[in-house]
Parts: sequence; structure tokens; C-alpha cells
Amino acid sequence: GAVVSQHPSWVICKSGTSVKIECRSLDFQATTMFWYRQFPKQSLMLMATSNEGSKATYEQGVEKDKFLINHASLTLSTLTVTSAHPEDSSFYICSARRQASYEQYFGPGTRLTVT
Amino acid sequence: AQSVSQHNHHVILSEAASLELGCNYSYGGTVNLFWYVQYPGQHLQLLLKYFSGDPLVKGIKGFEAEFIKSKFSFNLRKPSVQWSDTAEYFCAAPGAAAGNKLTFGGGTRVLVKP
Repeated sequence: GAVVSQHPSWVICKSGTSVKIECRSLDFQATTMFWYRQFPKQSLMLMATSNEGSKATYEQGVEKDKFLINHASLTLSTLTVTSAHPEDSSFYICSARRQASYEQYFGPGTRLTVT
Repeated sequence: AQSVSQHNHHVILSEAASLELGCNYSYGGTVNLFWYVQYPGQHLQLLLKYFSGDPLVKGIKGFEAEFIKSKFSFNLRKPSVQWSDTAEYFCAAPGAAAGNKLTFGGGTRVLVKP
């Protein structure tokens, strides 16, 4: 149990366009989902925390208008990178956790390349 | 705020050698600690976790970790590594603030030579 999927697994887009990444918990209800960014050979950097039905909480330095997060249901959260630029190219990873649990289950990640 | 530090960025060793990866956290109020592993081309997987009880925690694939509260440490060990243990290992701990956010260490890239 506790499987998290992401779609797409990789995407290439042109500069200025928007890209939506989906994160789904397949076999459990995720009250909280987290979005991370991972640069090559670096650790995961938390971008935002999203609770179902409420606005996401963004980490310092993360532009909320650029990285739109929606957590409309207990099994789905989406991250939309708006007006993407080459510097947004990265590996985006989501994780999900059950209520009252610290343990997070990670998705496989989405590699975004902006040309 | 919580900070998690991993002492080694890269470790290279031969099969059958013993492995120990250091992890230190800063916020003393935490008692929830995690080690995650990321195999090449794969997503993060939970290796083991400590919540309470016996400070020596056994995880999957022969890994174990010891929680030493006085040292703010949660080091990962494996007595005899295999080539398939080649991966990146991340230590993580939640912070003092609410929200159950995990803070990750910088990761340790382990290469096991056959």
C-alpha cells in the first residue's frame, strides 16, 4: 500500500508556456501533500505544503504565483508551473502523507525541461 | 528550525565492506527520524524510521540505524554492502513547527564497487 504516482514522468515545454504536474495517492487518502524540487546531485528542497481543501503554504523564496498548487481532493494535488523559463527546469517530486503521520510516501518525480 | 546534516557527500567502497553514514539533526524535540534511499533512476523509498522504543532500528535490505538522543544523531549502518546498495541516501527529520514538514539532509551518494 501507500503508492503515490505522478504524471507526467517527464515533460519538455517551451519557454513562456505553463505545465501542470499531477500527484495522486493511489491507495490511501492524503490529507497533506508536499512538493519538492531536486536539482542534479542535490538534496530535495521543499517548495510547498498543500492541505486538502485549503491554500498551499509556500516555503520562503518560492513564488506562489509561479508555482500554483491545488489540492482539490484527498487523492490529488496538482502543481502548475506558469510561464516556465529554462531556470525552472528541474526534477519535481511530490509526497503524500496520511493524517496524523510524519511518514511521507514519495512519487517517482517529474523531470521538467524548459527550452 | 530544524537542520539535518549528513557528514559524507560521497562514499565509495567495495562489496562486503561495512557502511556507516552519519546524520545529525538540530532540533532536540524531534523523535521522528527517517532514512530514505533513492536508487539510480528510481524514486525515494523509505529505508527505515524511528518513532519510539528501541533506539536501534532495523530496516529493509539489512540496514539499521541507531538513534542517540544525546548526540542528536541517527546514523545508518549496514555490516556488508552489496553492489545493489549503490544509491543516494537521505536522512530526514521533522521540524519544530507544525505541519509535519520533513527537513532532508544533503544526501550521501554511495557507490559500491563489485
